[in-house]
Amino acid sequence: QVQLQESGPGLVKPSQTLSLTCTVSGGSISSGSYYWSWIRQPAGKGLEWIGRIYTSGSTNYNPSLKSRVTISVDTSKNQFSLKLSSVTAADTAVYYCATDSSGYRLRYWGQGTLVTVSS
Amino acid sequence: QSALTQPRSVSGSPGQSVTISCTGTSSDVGGYNYVSWYQQHPGKAPKLMIYDVSKRPSGVPDRFSGSKSGNTASLTISGLQAEDEADYYCCSYAGSYVVFGGGTKLTVL
Repeated sequence: QVQLQESGPGLVKPSQTLSLTCTVSGGSISSGSYYWSWIRQPAGKGLEWIGRIYTSGSTNYNPSLKSRVTISVDTSKNQFSLKLSSVTAADTAVYYCATDSSGYRLRYWGQGTLVTVSS
Repeated sequence: QSALTQPRSVSGSPGQSVTISCTGTSSDVGGYNYVSWYQQHPGKAPKLMIYDVSKRPSGVPDRFSGSKSGNTASLTISGLQAEDEADYYCCSYAGSYVVFGGGTKLTVL
């Protein structure tokens, strides 16, 4: 069974770039056909889909975040990553990575990591 | 794009049934049979409960069921149990991206 673990800085300064990594265990990120996704959740609020990358390398992003988001895969490390540029306090949230073989559901989730944007 | 519309809260007594609605548009919920539902307990990651409108992943009790009519999807939980108290989020494919609902807090009285 696939297991996911987010990692990265817990504190990012305004205007900087937020960078997170999701390490995949229990399977190879380059085998099979999977969608590797990022979702975030501000404290006390709902889930927001950020975007995803398919095994082939194709990406889809939330239109409201598209100009600031990049999702990529590092097959040598069995990881995929999120970069969100020009962050503000509104980007403070718990960030989750998730995956599934179908692009229409999210079966496997990481535990989430809190990122705070503050000077 | 806008989040799907869910009631902020619903409640029910143990053994009863509750239904949570999720309203979108013809560009998301109404346009595809790709609605999923997630259960989230405080401090935990979401858990997939329903996918493709009405399918249950293995391990999810059959007390949980999903349906869709037009632009509105619904999650019904029958035989409510104390452990069902959680936040529930609907989610829909919207063409080239995915959109979540605002979430519904289920209270088991």
